[in-house]
Amino acid sequence: EPEVTQTPSHQVTQMGQEVILRCVPISNHLYFYWYRQILGQKVEFLVSFYNNEISEKSEIFDDQFSVERPDGSNFTLKIRSTKLEDSAMYFCASRSGTGGSYEQYFGPGTRLTVT
Amino acid sequence: AQSVAQPEDQVNVAEGNPLTVKCTYSVSGNPYLFWYVQYPNRGLQFLLKYITGDNLVKGSYGFEAEFNKSQTSFHLKKPSALVSDSALYFCAVRDRSGNQFYFGTGTSLTVIP
Repeated sequence: EPEVTQTPSHQVTQMGQEVILRCVPISNHLYFYWYRQILGQKVEFLVSFYNNEISEKSEIFDDQFSVERPDGSNFTLKIRSTKLEDSAMYFCASRSGTGGSYEQYFGPGTRLTVT
Repeated sequence: AQSVAQPEDQVNVAEGNPLTVKCTYSVSGNPYLFWYVQYPNRGLQFLLKYITGDNLVKGSYGFEAEFNKSQTSFHLKKPSALVSDSALYFCAVRDRSGNQFYFGTGTSLTVIP
């Protein structure tokens, strides 16, 4: 069964550094998402991406964040200058968008630790 | 504003007994509702969804959920719990005009042998 994959599983970085989190969505899916979960808190929406552009973003997704689909398979989240409060689990998700599908399929997550 | 509440952080149930994990929601208009399960070091796995139609929906691993519009609830149920059902369960809602999911805080289910 196809799965969303994410790399790395754990990233440690120093405050102020740039990080790129990588995701490979399920092939032939059309909608892509990033969510984050700070330890002990709920999963929060960051951004959705469709047709090579951001379709929706939350207040969390400020100018420090960007997303890109550089080729036909990868979907990346970049944080330009990390802050301590960016430490969280980051989940990538994708959705087919065809045939009446509404569910999103999530990857295993990347744990980002900012020191 | 859209929101989801899972009132129980922890649910314990004996193996073989029925289980219920509660979820209530607040959304403008008719919702799309989902349940996901998370095992340790794994991503969120889709269990089931309510989009329209029959209020009782069946999903993976013998789980089902009942949409109750008057109570704005979407409780997850299983007639007979297995030890392997022990995991973290998340309820999520999406309104029909938007794109993002709103998640509850999760309920940790422990099935006791």
